[in-house]
Amino acid sequence: QVHLQESGPGLVKPSQTLSLSCTVSGDSITRDSTYWSWIRQHPVKGLEWIGLISYKGNPRYNPSLESRVTISEDTSKNQFSLRLNYVTAADTAVYFCVRAMAASGWFDAWGPGTRVTVSS
Amino acid sequence: EIVVTQTPDSLAVSLGERATMHCKTNRSVSSRKEFLAWYQQRRGQPPKVLLYWSSTRDSGVPDRFSGSGSGTDFTLTINSVQAEDVATYYCHQYYSIASFGQGTKLEIK
Repeated sequence: QVHLQESGPGLVKPSQTLSLSCTVSGDSITRDSTYWSWIRQHPVKGLEWIGLISYKGNPRYNPSLESRVTISEDTSKNQFSLRLNYVTAADTAVYFCVRAMAASGWFDAWGPGTRVTVSS
Repeated sequence: EIVVTQTPDSLAVSLGERATMHCKTNRSVSSRKEFLAWYQQRRGQPPKVLLYWSSTRDSGVPDRFSGSGSGTDFTLTINSVQAEDVATYYCHQYYSIASFGQGTKLEIK
């Protein structure tokens, strides 16, 4: 059974970079036809897809965030990571790492989520 | 961008009654199949997929959960609501860049 676990700072200062990692167990991030996403949940705005990295290591981003986002992988650790630059209070949210079994697919496995607050 | 709108925002039903909630997209999300999923999120937990392709139940999901619809209009029905069904329910279109509805909160009357 796949298990995903987010990790990273819970507090980030405005204009700085939010960095999170997701450690995957029970599956390989390089397994054929798997896609690994970051999704965030705002208190008011709800669920927002940030982007993904494919099993081939190809990233894809939500156009609304693309200028500030980088998703990368470390296959030796079976981890993938999120970097979000120039954060503001609007980036305060719970961040989830998630698996899908297709590039256009539903999300069948979620990490528990990590709360990130942007504040000075 | 495909905008997803759910109604109602909240819903209160008695135990054993039926709950019905709706999801509407501003463009069709159907192409031979319906690219729509439903999730249940209990308090303090991540969302959990219930249905995909609009009406296919995920493994282990009770058969009191059913989905229907095509094109731009979709429905989630929970027959004989149980106490453990108290949660917020989200629909998600994966036809284009993923987007979610704002959720319908289900409570027990």
